[in-house]
Amino acid sequence: AQTVTQSQPEMSVQEAETVTLSCTYDTSESDYYLFWYKQPPSRQMILVIRQEAYKQQNATENRFSVNFQKAAKSFSLKISDSQLGDAAMYFCALEDSNYQLIWGAGTKLIIKP
Amino acid sequence: EPEVTQTPSHQVTQMGQEVILRCVPISNHLYFYWYRQILGQKVEFLVSFYNNEISEKSEIFDDQFSVERPDGSNFTLKIRSTKLEDSAMYFCASKPSSSYEQYFGPGTRLTVT
Repeated sequence: AQTVTQSQPEMSVQEAETVTLSCTYDTSESDYYLFWYKQPPSRQMILVIRQEAYKQQNATENRFSVNFQKAAKSFSLKISDSQLGDAAMYFCALEDSNYQLIWGAGTKLIIKP
Repeated sequence: EPEVTQTPSHQVTQMGQEVILRCVPISNHLYFYWYRQILGQKVEFLVSFYNNEISEKSEIFDDQFSVERPDGSNFTLKIRSTKLEDSAMYFCASKPSSSYEQYFGPGTRLTVT
């Protein structure tokens, strides 16, 4: 069975600092996609960043970047220059060959002003 | 920018009643999904729909659940006889092709009393 594990229920960071959210996963597939989604208090699920497993280069989107370690099955999210608007639940998700998303339990990110 | 919409935003129903949750995916998208998130828990896949039929469904998606795409624009989730444990946020998602990320609607909060 495929699983996604987020071991940090909650993280806090000072505004303007950098924070890293951890995610590990397990799959027997060689081709898959990994995602980080953000869920603010409005509950809308917003895509932060995606990574194709066949690409060795780590994805980046402005202040957001990932550290993708395929052999270790690790997919961490780094947020640089944290802003108050980054406060949310962050979910790591794996899309398998059936195109369904398997989700981690989420990490609540708190930004301290 | 096109977006997935869902109605209603909040539905309250009595146990045993039927509910229909509605979603309007983005117009050129071909893959459709329903997920649910019980309060405080991880997001769970329910069902995926492609080419006018269910492509995958989870163990949660039992005979009480059904999906339809009645008119080429709406995508509905019906729960035939609701139970207390069906109380959750239900998210609809869609994507244009297999290699894209899923775009999520804002969710419908279902409360079963």
